[in-house]
Amino acid sequence: AQSVTQLDSHVSVSEGTPVLLRCNYSSSYSPSLFWYVQHPNKGLQLLLKYTSAATLVKGINGFEAEFKKSETSFHLTKPSAHMSDAAEYFCVVRTNTGGFKTIFGAGTRLFVKA
Amino acid sequence: GAVVSQHPSWVICKSGTSVKIECRSLDFQATTMFWYRQFPKQSLMLMATSNEGSKATYEQGVEKDKFLINHASLTLSTLTVTSAHPEDSSFYICSARADSYEQYFGPGTRLTVT
Repeated sequence: AQSVTQLDSHVSVSEGTPVLLRCNYSSSYSPSLFWYVQHPNKGLQLLLKYTSAATLVKGINGFEAEFKKSETSFHLTKPSAHMSDAAEYFCVVRTNTGGFKTIFGAGTRLFVKA
Repeated sequence: GAVVSQHPSWVICKSGTSVKIECRSLDFQATTMFWYRQFPKQSLMLMATSNEGSKATYEQGVEKDKFLINHASLTLSTLTVTSAHPEDSSFYICSARADSYEQYFGPGTRLTVT
């Protein structure tokens, strides 16, 4: 079975400081992992994805994530937060073995203080 | 990249009426489309999966007679909320999958039932 756990329901950082959003996953198969961002009343925007290539994945807007199989983690980071980063972030696991299935994490709300 | 559109982006309807939401894949053929529901400050919940030309598969707890899904062509799926009530007010997001492994999300439709 597949599952995804976002360890923090909300994270608050000051502008210019690093961002860390944590995600752990469970999958019986080799999964693909994604991070999406959702601004208020908007749809989902893909930040980055891991599909069994390089374990350090670079995405848009300065975000990156590292796939660590031994820790079953896929944490999202950014060196310096910007006010515009304030949004909801979803970690997503997808498998295509045993049926195409997409599992969303509960989400992490990122607050950025001036 | 591939684009998925939804129409309308925002709709208000009176209790007891029905409302139709359209989801279109603009530059690719979607063999499978997915409908999600998102309550405020919550994650996305899969409602149903539909393949072109066949009946939709609904997730447990989703009333198929209330949420009618039609996937009549490879570029269009519709979700009709029948006899809508205030508790149906939500953000509805569709997603489309081509023959590749990729899944693309629409911008969402905000439904408010008064």
